Amino acid sequence: GAVVSQHPSRVICKSGTSVKIECRSLDFQATTMFWYRQFPKQSLMLMATSNEGSKATYEQGVEKDKFLINHASLTLSTLTVTSAHPEDSSFYICSAPLPGGETQYFGPGTRLLVL
Amino acid sequence: DAKTTQPNSMESNEEEPVHLPCNHSTISGTDYIHWYRQLPSQGPEYVIHGLTSNVNNRMASLAIAEDRKSSTLILHRATLRDAAVYYCILRPPLSGNTPLVFGKGTRLSVIA
Repeated sequence: GAVVSQHPSRVICKSGTSVKIECRSLDFQATTMFWYRQFPKQSLMLMATSNEGSKATYEQGVEKDKFLINHASLTLSTLTVTSAHPEDSSFYICSAPLPGGETQYFGPGTRLLVL
Repeated sequence: DAKTTQPNSMESNEEEPVHLPCNHSTISGTDYIHWYRQLPSQGPEYVIHGLTSNVNNRMASLAIAEDRKSSTLILHRATLRDAAVYYCILRPPLSGNTPLVFGKGTRLSVIA
């Protein structure tokens, strides 16, 4: 079946540094991918929609200059958390819809801890 | 997406059936009912979806009320690996390229 991978699965970084998270669709192409953030004991919150070949669409309240999204190919979207701060510590999850389908496939998530 | 209401938490004994309810009284005539679940420290995964008729797959069954204002996800024999947060989400047709909007879901605990 369709699989979405994320890398890294876990990252710890110092405050002020940038962290890049990769989201790959395996065995299928995804012109659109979604990035979510999940804080402990809370539900997933959509951050942005990643569009292959064009700019990402950000949800209200999500800083586009802080969370840089690049959808460089039909199988890869990256989320870069720039100048990370402890409040950015969270579980970041991407998803991709199967072309022509009604369901979405989620990556396993990336747990970011900013010290 | 139209609003859904789910209990915050439920508990089940292992190997017993589990019925997870979802109310969606404002569902439109064309909305599909989707269920996803999120195991601890993992991304969500698709479980099942339906429109009007009851649906079965290898993971679960979906029972949809005749008036479509509620539905029930049925796990026929709960295992410890079914402990997760279950999300009921309404989706218009042909919305595969739009993001999912997650509510709080139901946290299912399975007791050995």
